[in-house]
Amino acid sequence: QSALTQPRSVSGSPGQSVTISCTGTSSDVGGYNYVSWYQQHPGKAPKLMIYDVNKWPSGVPDRFSGSKSGNTASLTISGLQAEDEGDYYCCSYADRYSLLVFGGGTKLTVL
Amino acid sequence: EVQLVESGGGLVQPGGSLRLSCAASRFTFSSYWMHWVRQAPGKGLVWVSRIKSDGSSISYADSVKGRFTISRDNAKNTLYLQMNSLRAEDTAVYYCVRGYSQYAVYFDYWGQGTLVTVSS
Repeated sequence: QSALTQPRSVSGSPGQSVTISCTGTSSDVGGYNYVSWYQQHPGKAPKLMIYDVNKWPSGVPDRFSGSKSGNTASLTISGLQAEDEGDYYCCSYADRYSLLVFGGGTKLTVL
Repeated sequence: EVQLVESGGGLVQPGGSLRLSCAASRFTFSSYWMHWVRQAPGKGLVWVSRIKSDGSSISYADSVKGRFTISRDNAKNTLYLQMNSLRAEDTAVYYCVRGYSQYAVYFDYWGQGTLVTVSS
């Protein structure tokens, strides 16, 4: 059982938008703006997509956006493309049993 | 391009020990936070430990505290994870991960991982 809760799967058609939620507590997501999102394709290493809740590392398209409300962070992918398919993990700083905690991951399927 | 190459994984009995190494190249290793993150087969990512660029600050997940020790040798551009008192639940692919820019809580480059299997 992961510290942060994500939906197991989401799906959307090319060109549509999807949102992946990441729910934690006031000890992690809700208490700090140190939320990040990672994309992982099968057999590949994860890639940083969003950091500091809503900032883009260089090279990440602005179709990916992050936000936070209370104890829930969200990743929105607009203009879905086939290459967006994969697993997405949220991660947050936490002031408890683990300094950094991940969500369980969400499988995005582009229909 | 940044390279991180892990080694040292394998099959070990419960209660045993292993030492993982991560050889870093193509970047200034001594300037970055480094982390270990693990992923059990078919499961999600779990942060294990981190060490500051100069080794002056170290943190562990509670699940490994007292059993695992992270260290680095900046002269050799190498990160280590000494794992003692291994348990079945430590079975996972262990990734060596570079911290993103000056941040201690984000990750950018990941190694290919090394599999640790704890089983009798």
